[in-house]
Amino acid sequence: GEDVEQSLFLSVREGDSSVINCTYTDSSSTYLYWYKQEPGAGLQLLTYIFSNMDMKQDQRLTVLLNKKDKHLSLRIADTQTGDSAIYFCAETRRQAGNMLTFGGGTRLMVKP
Amino acid sequence: EAGVVQSPRYKIIEKKQPVAFWCNPISGHNTLYWYLQNLGQGPELLIRYENEEAVDDSQLPKDRFSAERLKGVDSTLKIQPAELGDSAVYLCASSLDQRNTEAFFGQGTRLTVV
Repeated sequence: GEDVEQSLFLSVREGDSSVINCTYTDSSSTYLYWYKQEPGAGLQLLTYIFSNMDMKQDQRLTVLLNKKDKHLSLRIADTQTGDSAIYFCAETRRQAGNMLTFGGGTRLMVKP
Repeated sequence: EAGVVQSPRYKIIEKKQPVAFWCNPISGHNTLYWYLQNLGQGPELLIRYENEEAVDDSQLPKDRFSAERLKGVDSTLKIQPAELGDSAVYLCASSLDQRNTEAFFGQGTRLTVV
């Protein structure tokens, strides 16, 4: 199976919270990342978490890591229409030179 | 500070023709990556450079793809000859070095092979 998996699509209303989920298979993952990609643009690094942490908060973004279940989530509080984009989960392993392995992306649609 | 710069943004070529993409990483970044992003999928690594040395090119289809980073700064990725299945977005990224946790991406080159 795929190393990093995400659901394809999420739709929320403006002002609600969004939760995007990701699962990974490699227990030797060193860092886990969330990237945002808007149409026609490259990938923008939103946040990342070291594998020995459980949670990281950065303004409207909260990352939760359950290392036992190999589950990562990104919560966006007070979701805005400008948050509509594709969100990619990714992981790196130190023995792989910090090469990023990406999931397939979750398309977030925010309805006004 | 300028980010990772890629050119061209878009390229349309006929199959069997050659094509080249150019990337200028962030100044001072020693590690450079080329990723391939097919439609509806996440990026996949093609090649990673540490300075001018290609340290991981295991995913690069070497029969038709080649890359270089002669002076350890700019890089070019070439396809010769291009096939219909090469239509995708080619992303370049850079980081300070291989131990650094943050990689920054360019806007990509969207290639269409007809």
